[in-house]
Amino acid sequence: EVQLLDSGGGLIQPGGSLRLSCEASGFTFISYAMSWVRQAPGKGLEWVSVISGSGGSTYYADSVKGRFTISRDNSMNTLYLQMHGLRAEDTAVYYCAKGGSSLVTRPSFDYWGQGTLVTVSS
Amino acid sequence: QSVLTQPPSASGTPGQRVTISCSGSSSNIGTNYVYWYQQLPGTAPKLLIYRNDQRPSGVPDRFSGSKSGTSASLAISGLRSEDEADYYCAAWDDSLSGPGVFGGGTKLTVL
Repeated sequence: EVQLLDSGGGLIQPGGSLRLSCEASGFTFISYAMSWVRQAPGKGLEWVSVISGSGGSTYYADSVKGRFTISRDNSMNTLYLQMHGLRAEDTAVYYCAKGGSSLVTRPSFDYWGQGTLVTVSS
Repeated sequence: QSVLTQPPSASGTPGQRVTISCSGSSSNIGTNYVYWYQQLPGTAPKLLIYRNDQRPSGVPDRFSGSKSGTSASLAISGLRSEDEADYYCAAWDDSLSGPGVFGGGTKLTVL
């Protein structure tokens, strides 16, 4: 059974840093692209970042480029999102999502984590 | 303002057929696959349609997707109360340097 377990969210002051993790199980982790998708309170979905199975290809939304870094440890079946320079507008539930293939260009998320809430506030 | 445009709301009565549109451009829907998601209140989104018109196993055939040019649609037939949810379209956009985009979402109300 595929499972994605998001963690690492919390309350952080503006300008602070946080690292989110997503532990994956039930599938061959290295074979699939993985993404982070966020949802601000009462708002729609935003595809934040995606990483290829090997980790060699990454993309970031303009809203987080230069501040967030996506990475993965295929030996630990874990996806990460390192966030720096956090702003109030980064407040959201962050979901990790499994791609339907190795392709980073397909927003085909067949499994999602339960989400972890990041609140940026002083 | 999302790159993919959806109506903010839609509604129907039980048993009816409703459609939700998703309008884009040549750089996204026009040249890439469209995906649809259903998000029930308080839960993570669920993949409903992939590659324009394919249903994952377990998704009822009441849900169908289509694409024409730079627009796509999600149709729900035999509407049921449990279909009340938010629906999002998504596609890769070749003109962006980042990952793809979601539509703004459509809240479906079953009257």
